Amino acid sequence: DAKTTQPNSMESNEEEPVHLPCNHSTISGTDYIHWYRQLPSQGPEYVIHGLTSNVNNRMASLAIAEDRKSSTLILHRATLRDAAVYYCIPYGGATNKLIFGTGTLLAVQP
Amino acid sequence: GAGVSQSPRYKVTKRGQDVALRCDPISGHVSLYWYRQALGQGPEFLTYFNYEAQQDKSGLPNDRFSAERPEGSISTLTIQRTEQRDSAMYRCASSLSGGPGNTIYFGEGSWLTVV
Repeated sequence: DAKTTQPNSMESNEEEPVHLPCNHSTISGTDYIHWYRQLPSQGPEYVIHGLTSNVNNRMASLAIAEDRKSSTLILHRATLRDAAVYYCIPYGGATNKLIFGTGTLLAVQP
Repeated sequence: GAGVSQSPRYKVTKRGQDVALRCDPISGHVSLYWYRQALGQGPEFLTYFNYEAQQDKSGLPNDRFSAERPEGSISTLTIQRTEQRDSAMYRCASSLSGGPGNTIYFGEGSWLTVV
């Protein structure tokens, strides 16, 4: 399984952009990069995923480095509701399951 | 249903009793996953199914844990002779089909306490 490195915690102010980094230097060529988040007392929630190209959806943007060894989840305007643990997960056909690491605890200040 | 449904939401059982946790995936979803999550930790993979076939059970901690999905829809995770260390949140998830290009949807979980 590809190893990931994420900051243990980050802080942001409300309505400011947030860039959550993830290193996955051992990622396999066929692994997608998935991001999930977990709000307090809730189940994990899908945020976004991509393979090589940058991706945008209504929740966030995903910027993937050209060598795919790192990626950045971008929340364009953080809200209090975005306070959660964010997990970056390389997800490939070889394992066919999400393996969660420790994630980044994002705190959003009003 | 609209989402992944799990029952019971909360279960308190005495040490040594058997418990069964149920998962009803999103209608039409082929793949079903079970995870366990301790307080303050990320979810830990237990097992997953495609249709009724158990594809991977490498995360089941020991032979007291088993799971089935006999008709390729509802799944049951059974823990026999429960121990206090089994206390955790048990989460079920499903996806339309297996494979890393798919989104996995999680349920609200079943909180198990063994006393």
